[in-house]
Amino acid sequence: GENVEQHPSTLSVQEGDSAVIKCTYSDSASNYFPWYKQELGKRPQLIIDIRSNVGEKKDQRIAVTLNKTAKHFSLHITETQPEDSAVYFCAASISKLTFGTGTRLQVTL
Amino acid sequence: SQTIHQWPATLVQPVGSPLSLECTVEGTSNPNLYWYRQAAGRGLQLLFYSVGIGQISSEVPQNLSASRPQDRQFILSSKKLLLSDSGFYLCAWSATYLTPSPQHFGDGTRLSIL
Repeated sequence: GENVEQHPSTLSVQEGDSAVIKCTYSDSASNYFPWYKQELGKRPQLIIDIRSNVGEKKDQRIAVTLNKTAKHFSLHITETQPEDSAVYFCAASISKLTFGTGTRLQVTL
Repeated sequence: SQTIHQWPATLVQPVGSPLSLECTVEGTSNPNLYWYRQAAGRGLQLLFYSVGIGQISSEVPQNLSASRPQDRQFILSSKKLLLSDSGFYLCAWSATYLTPSPQHFGDGTRLSIL
């Protein structure tokens, strides 16, 4: 089955800096890659997703890139703010989602 | 718009007691439905998913079971809870008319086993 690895497990950045979270997947048939943000005690919320026919997608301060050849995809957050602090999960999907293990992002003042 | 409801929000149960968690989706028909468990500080583990009424696929062998008695209702059950069943249980849905499609999560049930 699909295996998704996510790095780093924790990330601390200063407010205003950029944050990058990277994921790799094992099954080349995966064709959908969402990213979720989970605040403490809350449900995961979809923040951006990308399909395999697209190499990059951007939504305001958030962007995702996909390299199908290398089987990795990344989340980029620019101009980070304290409210970006949360756990971020990547996932890869053929028919159902396989999640990465999460990255705890801390944005410090 | 579509909404997903889970209840209860928190639950404290003794070891060996039964469990029933319910999830309902509104505003869509024939959704794919999912149950996940999340241990404290950990990732999301898929427990069950369903593509239609009465159709349940189990991802992890355990003492839990799932049922889908109606199109938009998904139930997670156990006859006898174990300490290891503690965690944050999340229900999710996705649309079948768009493949692949994002999953949308409910607010979850925090289950503590004593």
